[in-house]
Amino acid sequence: ETGVTQTPRHLVMGMTNKKSLKCEQHLGHNAMYWYKQSAKKPLELMFVYSLEERVENNSVPSRFSPECPNSSHLFLHLHTLQPEDSALYLCASSQEGFSSYNEQFFGPGTRLTVL
Amino acid sequence: AQSVSQHNHHVILSEAASLELGCNYSYGGTVNLFWYVQYPGQHLQLLLKYFSGDPLVKGIKGFEAEFIKSKFSFNLRKPSVQWSDTAEYFCAVISSASKIIFGSGTRLSIRP
Repeated sequence: ETGVTQTPRHLVMGMTNKKSLKCEQHLGHNAMYWYKQSAKKPLELMFVYSLEERVENNSVPSRFSPECPNSSHLFLHLHTLQPEDSALYLCASSQEGFSSYNEQFFGPGTRLTVL
Repeated sequence: AQSVSQHNHHVILSEAASLELGCNYSYGGTVNLFWYVQYPGQHLQLLLKYFSGDPLVKGIKGFEAEFIKSKFSFNLRKPSVQWSDTAEYFCAVISSASKIIFGSGTRLSIRP
């Protein structure tokens, strides 16, 4: 399979549950990203991993915990979420560096609903 | 703080009308510029990009964008839209000082 894949595509969870989102990229990129897409808001960059190290955390609440075990996989662990965390969570990857290779490729997203 | 502004939140056009979506950014240095499109039910995909050279960039599906450095703008254009262009369009900027920053998006609706 090519590109960026995300599982699950849809997730409904209660506020006390613990769940994880998974992202996998098959493009040989060295950077991966988590974004939150809410209605009528700009895409919010949550986390950036470059060469498997976290390089940016845009003040995301601790109930979101990322994990990047290798350059092809990225997880977002969720616990004690709030209803306002309901959104589409997008994963992306790119070849790191301020050059012509840093176009981002996006996965289809996980539609998360917190009850 | 650096930012990307898309002033048109929702644009409604009839088929065959011409399209121009505005994008302005706030950063004085070297930038890479992108337009992404998200069709209904599909994931974000790259429409076109500018890194250097000719400021008029051609993308897929007949879209083009012009980088005007003096205006900090990268407007998206298409001379004649089709119903299948109904989508949400996002402008994005990467600078040497920051990771990618996206605009809030413009929803384009085309009347058949």
